[in-house]
Amino acid sequence: DAMVIQNPRYQVTQFGKPVTLSCSQTLNHNVMYWYQQKSSQAPKLLFHYYDKDFNNEADTPDNFQSRRPNTSFCFLDIRSPGLGDAAMYLCATSRTAKMGNQPQHFGDGTRLSIL
Amino acid sequence: SQQGEEDPQALSIQEGENATMNCSYKTSINNLQWYRQNSGRGLVHLILIRSNEREKHSGRLRVTLDTSKKSSSLLITASRAADTASYFCATDAWGIQGAQKLVFGQGTRLTINP
Repeated sequence: DAMVIQNPRYQVTQFGKPVTLSCSQTLNHNVMYWYQQKSSQAPKLLFHYYDKDFNNEADTPDNFQSRRPNTSFCFLDIRSPGLGDAAMYLCATSRTAKMGNQPQHFGDGTRLSIL
Repeated sequence: SQQGEEDPQALSIQEGENATMNCSYKTSINNLQWYRQNSGRGLVHLILIRSNEREKHSGRLRVTLDTSKKSSSLLITASRAADTASYFCATDAWGIQGAQKLVFGQGTRLTINP
């Protein structure tokens, strides 16, 4: 039944070692989002896609990149993780509709730890 | 930048009591959404209320929206232990190609004591 799937659930990497987080969806939604959520904080949008069109939030660090090779898959690449990048990373999807008014569907996240 | 602010930050009540959480926001909206997040899990959509609606119900949930005061409240009636979670309000913003982005409030941590 899982519709937005994130792998792995837990990821440990070393300081400065590139890491890739993945997200897949079975909903066939146009829009995919990546959020960063630090402990006891609100999810913070990093970027989103409408199909292959990509939008980076203004305050997303250059260290963070994303790829969406097809409708179903989206990847978050962190090129040189620092200790401050330890967080939960959440992927979400939504349909597009006039005037918005669509809920987002979230995966269970990947908790990233940096050693 | 953060749009919504939630109050209280933490709430602890006894099972069976009602829980009320409030959200205030700063700019005009098309809709406001509420989400639940269990510890270590993703967010689950609870309810969406459009800017032209004042109240909406879903099971034990009741959401109100006052656009003149830029505020919303979420009421959970007859709370259960399983309602223990963080609750976030989110307001919409426009993204690329008309896609909708969400800006989340800081959340309310709700604990239901048996």
